[in-house]
Amino acid sequence: GAGVSQSPRYKVTKRGQDVTLRCDPISSHATLYWYQQALGQGPEFLTYFNYEAQPDKSGLPSDRFSAERPEGSISTLTIQRTEQRDSAMYRCASSRRRQETQYFGPGTRLLVL
Amino acid sequence: GQQVMQIPQYQHVQEGEDFTTYCNSSTTLSNIQWYKQRPGGHPVFLIQSVKSGEVKKQKRLTFQFGEAKKNSSLHITATQTTDVGTYFCAGNFGNEKLTFGTGTRLTIIP
Repeated sequence: GAGVSQSPRYKVTKRGQDVTLRCDPISSHATLYWYQQALGQGPEFLTYFNYEAQPDKSGLPSDRFSAERPEGSISTLTIQRTEQRDSAMYRCASSRRRQETQYFGPGTRLLVL
Repeated sequence: GQQVMQIPQYQHVQEGEDFTTYCNSSTTLSNIQWYKQRPGGHPVFLIQSVKSGEVKKQKRLTFQFGEAKKNSSLHITATQTTDVGTYFCAGNFGNEKLTFGTGTRLTIIP
């Protein structure tokens, strides 16, 4: 596609519910990253994929967070049993190859009530 | 842990004045990148380097990567209202994880 897209753009959920966020990267891009960005802060790395492999998930805050990219293109980030502290902007970015320019999507703003 | 610090946190400048933001790491970086994020927007890539001591110029932007690869600066000449936003540096510490700095929020006084 022309750019990175993410859906939904906004998600409001109740504490304890599961949510799944989607990222559609630029079609030629091998590498896909997930970040969490709190208001007024820089993006914080969660995990990344190189094609369908997930070499680093060290930034995932807990085992309630998981990500997939089964066919090396679209990726999903799932948060199970959401907590209020999970409220944040979740951003996806893709790059042609590792350590190259990252192109960010518009983000999904998650609010956990 | 590996952190990237930026100063200043906020900068207010008169339109037409210059602006500089600084980025520091206690550990050597393999790569430094700069992004701009407009209010309500997403980070947009500006410039990057992997070379120690490199200086790059792009129109009104001048970027520098320190000799020790632990610091960097981004300078904007003659600011315009379109320069408003938060400027983030981001670095790799020899792995794929990109660590973002704390950001410098630039506001322009017309």
